Amino acid sequence: DAMVIQNPRYQVTQFGKPVTLSCSQTLNHNVMYWYQQKSSQAPKLLFHYYDKDFNNEADTPDNFQSRRPNTSFCFLDIRSPGLGDAAMYLCATSNTRIPTDTQYFGPGTRLTVL
Amino acid sequence: TQLLEQSPQFLSIQEGENLTVYCNSSSVFSSLQWYRQEPGEGPVLLVTVVTGGEVKKLKRLTFQFGDARKDSSLHITAAQPGDTGLYLCAGRRAGGTSYGKLTFGQGTILTVHP
Repeated sequence: DAMVIQNPRYQVTQFGKPVTLSCSQTLNHNVMYWYQQKSSQAPKLLFHYYDKDFNNEADTPDNFQSRRPNTSFCFLDIRSPGLGDAAMYLCATSNTRIPTDTQYFGPGTRLTVL
Repeated sequence: TQLLEQSPQFLSIQEGENLTVYCNSSSVFSSLQWYRQEPGEGPVLLVTVVTGGEVKKLKRLTFQFGDARKDSSLHITAAQPGDTGLYLCAGRRAGGTSYGKLTFGQGTILTVHP
């Protein structure tokens, strides 16, 4: 059974047209993360929510925003996508932020910017 | 500065061969996770190791966590074409300003030829 679900799996948008990616989880985990992954590279953390507390990474562009309306759902908003934002976007969850806790990833959303 | 050095970056072998992927750091990690990722999919967790010197086996895969919790290795015995994929090590540190953020190695692209 899928535990971390991402929709859509593939998203095509136009340069500058806002886009929203969705993540939901059935694990009831407190922490949800968004990563950006470019081809054959390691995932790069954009931000995470610890419950309702939003934590942005220092080098995440302002173009990227996130919302977490409840425990199960988290959204990634890209306000004005550029060609350089084309990537795989991964959502992950963990029960806590303690260092021995495991992160579980969703299948990802592949974003194409035309 | 890359906190986790993963090597080799690329590995191309024949079916039946053995291989080892290394993940090294000068930092101590509270836990280390290994993921396997196929093209177009999210990383799938293989194992989490938390104790120095720990060895875990998953069928033909053997994972080791160094005694000092600074390094780890993944050994695959008798590789099969189905093992092909991107292998990622990722560690979580404790202490300081870190909240247990997952730090990824660069990844190893493994190709197993029939």
